[in-house]
Amino acid sequence: ETGVTQSPTHLIKTRGQQVTLRCSSQSGHNTVSWYQQALGQGPQFIFQYYREEENGRGNFPPRFSGLQFPNYSSELNVNALELDDSALYLCASSMTGESYEQYFGPGTRLTVT
Amino acid sequence: DAKTTQPTSMDCAEGRAANLPCNHSTISGNEYVYWYRQIHSQGPQYIIHGLKNNETNEMASLIITEDRKSSTLILPHATLRDTAVYYCIVLSSMYSGGGADGLTFGKGTHLIIQP
Repeated sequence: ETGVTQSPTHLIKTRGQQVTLRCSSQSGHNTVSWYQQALGQGPQFIFQYYREEENGRGNFPPRFSGLQFPNYSSELNVNALELDDSALYLCASSMTGESYEQYFGPGTRLTVT
Repeated sequence: DAKTTQPTSMDCAEGRAANLPCNHSTISGNEYVYWYRQIHSQGPQYIIHGLKNNETNEMASLIITEDRKSSTLILPHATLRDTAVYYCIVLSSMYSGGGADGLTFGKGTHLIIQP
């Protein structure tokens, strides 16, 4: 069984730039959720994708967008980066309709300067 | 989703049982109790969840009071590797196409296992 993987591990961007983060879900899982974790805080839900469509969204602006592909992998895109976007971005995969038992990847550390 | 209250931090001696409390006095009938933990520099890890009955798996036991207003996560024989932030999360049962809310992580309990 392959776990959740994310790339890249670390990333440094400049304010105003755009970034794309990638996630491969655990084998057999059809749903991907993305979370943002600022330093010293718990993860905050950004959105979830199921059947290649957004299936739920937290309190994040539209410049946070995503994609899910037929193989269930996913991308998180952030436009017009702000300094406050500096955080650990976590991807979690699960099977929709079963439970909130989610399996997280190691995260991508994004630094915006 | 119901709010939860957890102690900020706890210590436990290695080899002893670690008992982590969670108060969720406003929990409603269809809400489950989930526990996750996050070891430093890693993504959160699912531990266990339950509705009414006590639950046990290879990682931990979950004890839910009869009135469901509080619960306790028990790590039976804590090791140094169990040092982590433990999150108690209460949320509705499975969603079905109506939109997901995602997990709401609070501040959790920082459990420190002492050698």
